[in-house]
Amino acid sequence: QKEVEQDPGPLSVPEGAIVSLNCTYSNSAFQYFMWYRQYSRKGPELLMYTYSSGNKEDGRFTAQVDKSSKYISLFIRDSQPSDSATYLCAMRRGGGSNYKLTFGKGTLLTVNP
Amino acid sequence: NAGVTQTPKFQVLKTGQSMTLQCAQDMNHNSMYWYRQDPGMGLRLIYYSASEGTTDKGEVPNGYNVSRLNKREFSLRLESAAPSQTSVYFCASTQGAQNIQYFGAGTRLSVL
Repeated sequence: QKEVEQDPGPLSVPEGAIVSLNCTYSNSAFQYFMWYRQYSRKGPELLMYTYSSGNKEDGRFTAQVDKSSKYISLFIRDSQPSDSATYLCAMRRGGGSNYKLTFGKGTLLTVNP
Repeated sequence: NAGVTQTPKFQVLKTGQSMTLQCAQDMNHNSMYWYRQDPGMGLRLIYYSASEGTTDKGEVPNGYNVSRLNKREFSLRLESAAPSQTSVYFCASTQGAQNIQYFGAGTRLSVL
């Protein structure tokens, strides 16, 4: 079993739809969870950062972590064509000296006008 | 503020040729990373440098070498390029205790 599983999609939705992106993981040591957005032919950029279980909201984006189920989600409300990108989940273990992130393979999202 | 700068942006090599990919960050970050990204494989860590003067292997180090030249610069070298090394290469650096990684724009490498 891969440490991090992410449905690669592709996912195509109409403008204004609510989008749900998900990752599951197997390593219970993961404590920090991130979502990166990557536009075509660009580098990934951090979108959301969360620690431990719960929800975090930033504008139209909500990140949700359920450590008991080893499941993380990213919700996008009122999706826009500019949200069309690949979304990568990433996570790492705790500890100040742990530097490595484990990434999901990414989900390609297209929002159609 | 340039962030993480990678050069070159594109490169075509013949099998057996060597080259060095350059990465520099101007954010005073301690840790730097090299990834490759292939279709269906996601981002895979090649090498990382937790601090100036140290380097460690990641998930896919074979065929690569790295040098942490100083705090700003971290280079990736392919000594004898192979077609399997055709990929998009990303450099990243890490900020503070949260270890949030900031990525460069990438180098697209084709090995013929």
